[in-house]
Parts: sequence; structure tokens; C-alpha cells
Amino acid sequence: GQQLNQSPQSMFIQEGEDVSMNCTSSSIFNTWLWYKQDPGEGPVLLIALYKAGELTSNGRLTAQFGITRKDSFLNISASIPSDVGIYFCAGQDSGANSKLTFGKGITLSVRP
Amino acid sequence: DAGVIQSPRHEVTEMGQEVTLRCKPISGHNSLFWYRQTMMRGLELLIYFNNNVPIDDSGMPEDRFSAKMPNASFSTLKIQPSEPRDSAVYFCASSLLGGAEAFFGQGTRLTVV
Repeated sequence: GQQLNQSPQSMFIQEGEDVSMNCTSSSIFNTWLWYKQDPGEGPVLLIALYKAGELTSNGRLTAQFGITRKDSFLNISASIPSDVGIYFCAGQDSGANSKLTFGKGITLSVRP
Repeated sequence: DAGVIQSPRHEVTEMGQEVTLRCKPISGHNSLFWYRQTMMRGLELLIYFNNNVPIDDSGMPEDRFSAKMPNASFSTLKIQPSEPRDSAVYFCASSLLGGAEAFFGQGTRLTVV
């Protein structure tokens, strides 16, 4: 089946630093999404990308839809303590169904 | 503007008991998804519905699991009988039909002892 690969499993950064995460797939997706999960909560949608090459920002977050349609990147600039959490990428193909495939997530820690 | 509502938030039950998890999707959303999250396997899609009809239940682990969506505003996920390995956080999510932007509930943390 389809799989999304996120690595490393954990990242540790200093407050104020920028951080970049990527997500790769062996198959093509037509929509890429990035979610963040806080402890004890459900994943929350951060950014959705619909076109290959698209670059979208949401505050300090910027995400890009890779031109091969097999990868996506999320950048967080000037990190703050509340950026701590698990970041998931997800992809949707163009089939008749609407389900998402999720990566395993990257746990981000921010040191004050 | 209510999001996806799940109940209960926490459930502790004994092995062999029946467990029912409930979900109310966002009004107007036609697709509903049940996910299970564990440390080992991450987020797994169990089943999803379009317009109250089950479309893909290939992720349901075994016959002990069943899901229903009797109407557009309510769905249940039932485990009978429950086993300790079913302990996980179960999420419900909804989206517009065919839409990629799925919105998640807060989850139900299930512990089977």
C-alpha cells in the first residue's frame, strides 16, 4: 500500500531556530497536508497543498508541494515553545475515494 | 462552530467487555473516518464512510470491530469482545465529500485491562 516516510522520528531545536521537515512517498499524491498534534488532542490541520510546486505560508509555517508530487516540505521559522508537538504529513491521491495516508510523524522539541 | 465531537474521552474496560465509541461529525461533512493511533503503528485508518455508506473497511483489524453510521450526524465504532491489544487512542475525523481537509475530534483513549 501507499506509505509516507518522515524522518527523523524526533527533532530537538533551540527556541528561535528555524526547522525543516520533509515527507517522501514512493507514489504520487495530488494533495499534500501537514497536521500538528498536541499532547492529548487530535491532529489539527496546518496547511493544505493542491498543486505541484505550490508554496503556501501560514504565519511562521511554510510548506511546499514537491514538483515530482512525491514529496513535501514544512518549514517553521523562529520556533517558539508552543511549536512542540508531533507533525504529520498526509497525502491524498486522485482516486474516487477520499482517504488520507499519514506519515508516522516527527516529534519536535523546542528548548527555551 | 462545533468541531468533530467524540465521546467518551476516556474509557477503561475489562477484557471481554463490549466497547462503543461515538462520533458526531462536523455538520455538512459527508465523509467520516475512524482512525486508531498507537506508538508502534502511528495513525491507522480503520474505516471510512461517504454519505453514511461504508466505502473501505480494509483497515478494521478483525471481526471484533464494527462501525455504523445510521445518519449523517452520528457514527459508532464498536469492539466486542475487547482485548488488551485494542488499547489505543481512537480518532474520528470528517471532511467534505472527496475533500482532503479532514478535521479530527479530540479522540477517545481506550484502555482494556
